[in-house]
Amino acid sequence: DAGVTQSPTHLIKTRGQQVTLRCSPKSGHDTVSWYQQALGQGPQFIFQYYEEEERQRGNFPDRFSGHQFPNYSSELNVNALLLGDSALYLCASSSDGTGTSEQYFGPGTRLTVT
Amino acid sequence: GQNIDQPTEMTATEGAIVQINCTYQTSGFNGLFWYQQHAGEAPTFLSYNVLDGLEEKGRFSSFLSRSKGYSYLLLKELQMKDSASYLCAVTRGGYKLSFGAGTTVTVRA
Repeated sequence: DAGVTQSPTHLIKTRGQQVTLRCSPKSGHDTVSWYQQALGQGPQFIFQYYEEEERQRGNFPDRFSGHQFPNYSSELNVNALLLGDSALYLCASSSDGTGTSEQYFGPGTRLTVT
Repeated sequence: GQNIDQPTEMTATEGAIVQINCTYQTSGFNGLFWYQQHAGEAPTFLSYNVLDGLEEKGRFSSFLSRSKGYSYLLLKELQMKDSASYLCAVTRGGYKLSFGAGTTVTVRA
């Protein structure tokens, strides 16, 4: 049973560029959440997708957008990259319709903005 | 506010016990998670507390007091592999997890 998978593992971008990160949830899960984790900090909630719609959003600017596909996989897009966007981006999936059940995290994508 | 406070670092000896405290603001509180995160890896689920009391799971136990806005994670019979960051996270009736900054535990031989 495959767990949560994310791609790519690492990514280096230049300021002003755009990036797309991908996530496939754990088998049987229908809810995907995205988190940003800066070095030495806890993960910060970006948004959650359920039934292909953004259900809740954290305190992140509109440069951060996402999408969920019919197979429950998800993408995180970040436009106009800033140096401060350098972080580990974690995807988490869950199966409870309320979205508050245990969330399973993927290995993350390490984004470096230069 | 969402302040979730936990100590930054703790050090203990192999075989010992360590208790990691977490305090949070009680408004809207729904439940509390503990995650373990090794350096460069994803957080992995340890425990979930909704009701007051102690939940024991092998060498790890988690306690919650809803009225006091307080939880702790107890790690017994410490092993070298327990060296990691331990994250306290709260849900407040929405869908997101609000995390503390994490406590780095170092286990020494």
